[in-house]
Amino acid sequence: QQQVKQSPQSLIVQKGGISIINCAYENTAFDYFPWYQQFPGKGPALLIAIRPDVSEKKEGRFTISFNKSAKQFSLHIMDSQPGDSATYFCAASMRIGGSYIPTFGRGTSLIVHP
Amino acid sequence: KAGVTQTPRYLIKTRGQQVTLSCSPISGHRSVSWYQQTPGQGLQFLFEYFSETQRNKGNFPGRFSGRQFSNSRSEMNVSTLELGDSALYLCASSPDPGLPSLQYFGPGTRLLVL
Repeated sequence: QQQVKQSPQSLIVQKGGISIINCAYENTAFDYFPWYQQFPGKGPALLIAIRPDVSEKKEGRFTISFNKSAKQFSLHIMDSQPGDSATYFCAASMRIGGSYIPTFGRGTSLIVHP
Repeated sequence: KAGVTQTPRYLIKTRGQQVTLSCSPISGHRSVSWYQQTPGQGLQFLFEYFSETQRNKGNFPGRFSGRQFSNSRSEMNVSTLELGDSALYLCASSPDPGLPSLQYFGPGTRLLVL
């Protein structure tokens, strides 16, 4: 059972365009929603995260939109650059005994053409 | 400050063997989590350690085990290796398990089981 569904699997965008990646979750016990960026040969790096009491969070060119009633959240990358080409993972984390345990989406491979 | 380091970076084993992977967290970080990343199953949580205690464990068979030492360094062990254990094993550390925004991943150990 896939608890976090991520789409699209791959995305090609022109430089300067907007990249949009969507995720949907099922378990309402999730209460922390991070996005990670992973380059080949590297571990994931936390990009931006949101909690369910906030509908939007923006950090530079990256914005998370969160729809609690629909159990969906998305990552928007504005003015996409070739250096943004990477794999992006969403996650939904549940607090268990003081720890945040993530369930990850399957990832989106983003290619930004110059 | 040095990042999370994992050793070895690459490893080739044969079915039935066992393997031990090592993770050195960022200085001052006491929480260490392990993840498995495969093309088929994506990123999955293995287990989490804090103050030498396993606090949470993912849905993996008992062949997967780990431990944490008093200096917060952690090891994970996989016994009786199977072909399906071929994966990138990622370690992540944070100062406290309740601070997911301060969690950093290492580059991973790529394990190939033949």
